[in-house]
Amino acid sequence: DGGITQSPKYLFRKEGQNVTLSCEQNLNHDAMYWYRQDPGQGLRLIYYSQIVNDFQKGDIAEGYSVSREKKESFPLTVTSAQKNPTAFYLCASTSPFDRERETQYFGPGTRLLVL
Amino acid sequence: GENVEQHPSTLSVQEGDSAVIKCTYSDSASNYFPWYKQELGKRPQLIIDIRSNVGEKKDQRIAVTLNKTAKHFSLHITETQPEDSAVYFCAARSPGYSTLTFGKGTMLLVSP
Repeated sequence: DGGITQSPKYLFRKEGQNVTLSCEQNLNHDAMYWYRQDPGQGLRLIYYSQIVNDFQKGDIAEGYSVSREKKESFPLTVTSAQKNPTAFYLCASTSPFDRERETQYFGPGTRLLVL
Repeated sequence: GENVEQHPSTLSVQEGDSAVIKCTYSDSASNYFPWYKQELGKRPQLIIDIRSNVGEKKDQRIAVTLNKTAKHFSLHITETQPEDSAVYFCAARSPGYSTLTFGKGTMLLVSP
């Protein structure tokens, strides 16, 4: 898990503003994921990407967007359409095509707060 | 899609006691079941996992059991210590998918 970094640690968003959360990994993992964590809700999948230049919506994709231009990077943009963005955001990565290394490793998280 | 239910939501034990957390899943084809531990404000970390071709797996004080017929799996922690206090998440993965479906978590409190 030490090979995944997220920034910033805390992020403040004003009404109507788009903000971007960074996720970088140096584990040479193919797949990357974004989760949202709210108290008592567990981890809910926002978007995931199994390969560069390709990504799929998760269970709660509305109000979010992603890109995957490089294998190492999977930024998440929280758009103004997301009306309740306050949460802890976690990025994860794995090698889904290698059965022995299918464990998902998480980054340290970004806490997003609305001003 | 897959649905994972986790119980209990909170669990309080005395130091030295055992703790058991249970999860049920809906997709009988699911074949991979990891458990994560998350300390306050930290990232989830894998503590143990099990695949569908195995019924039980142990690692020191922790063990996981899987009952494929009943579609449930459990985490067992023996000789609990205060540092075991955390939120524990179970998850399941259906074959052909690279995504995990997580339970809502169990907050374990171990009192000295």
